[in-house]
Amino acid sequence: DTAVSQTPKYLVTQMGNDKSIKCEQNLGHDTMYWYKQDSKKFLKIMFSYNNKELIINETVPNRFSPKSPDKAHLNLHINSLELGDSAVYFCASSHPPRSRETQYFGPGTRLLVL
Amino acid sequence: AQSVSQHNHHVILSEAASLELGCNYSYGGTVNLFWYVQYPGQHLQLLLKYFSGDPLVKGIKGFEAEFIKSKFSFNLRKPSVQWSDTAEYFCAVTRDDYKLSFGAGTTVTVRA
Repeated sequence: DTAVSQTPKYLVTQMGNDKSIKCEQNLGHDTMYWYKQDSKKFLKIMFSYNNKELIINETVPNRFSPKSPDKAHLNLHINSLELGDSAVYFCASSHPPRSRETQYFGPGTRLLVL
Repeated sequence: AQSVSQHNHHVILSEAASLELGCNYSYGGTVNLFWYVQYPGQHLQLLLKYFSGDPLVKGIKGFEAEFIKSKFSFNLRKPSVQWSDTAEYFCAVTRDDYKLSFGAGTTVTVRA
């Protein structure tokens, strides 16, 4: 009964490929997020959806496209993968976005682009 | 310039030693402060958070943090660490929005 789950856990792929990462939460939260953690462990928010509506879209290449089919799922599709996309991608969820809400994180997807 | 600064990149200490990790933020006005921990191979978990009230906040696993408004700081402490405290520790801040801004993290290695 994992609260926030991501698949796959590891992803190794070639430059130029298109790949997707999936995230699901069973906490009943309305809001989901994608974060990128770089090689220096710095975490930065990429996107957030609230009730399937995009509410945060940070400066991210348009090769990255989030999709939220329902409140419990937020997937991340990446087109034309580049070496610099190698990172750990974390999904998170929370109750409706307010500044004091705790975000609950998934285990991360380690993406390596060769 | 990073808005949330964690002073120590890597801290190495022995079991039973005391731990203090620094965190400073550069935002004015009201802030909400969080410490998250990432154990090896695991996801981030909330250790503690501060919104208002008593500036000394107690969290899980014996951790506490003190908010000092005049110093724009929210330092994390634990009086006596264990080997299992080996992890990456992240300070994070929200302001009047809900975007978590993270510090660069501090790697803590506890030697048995």
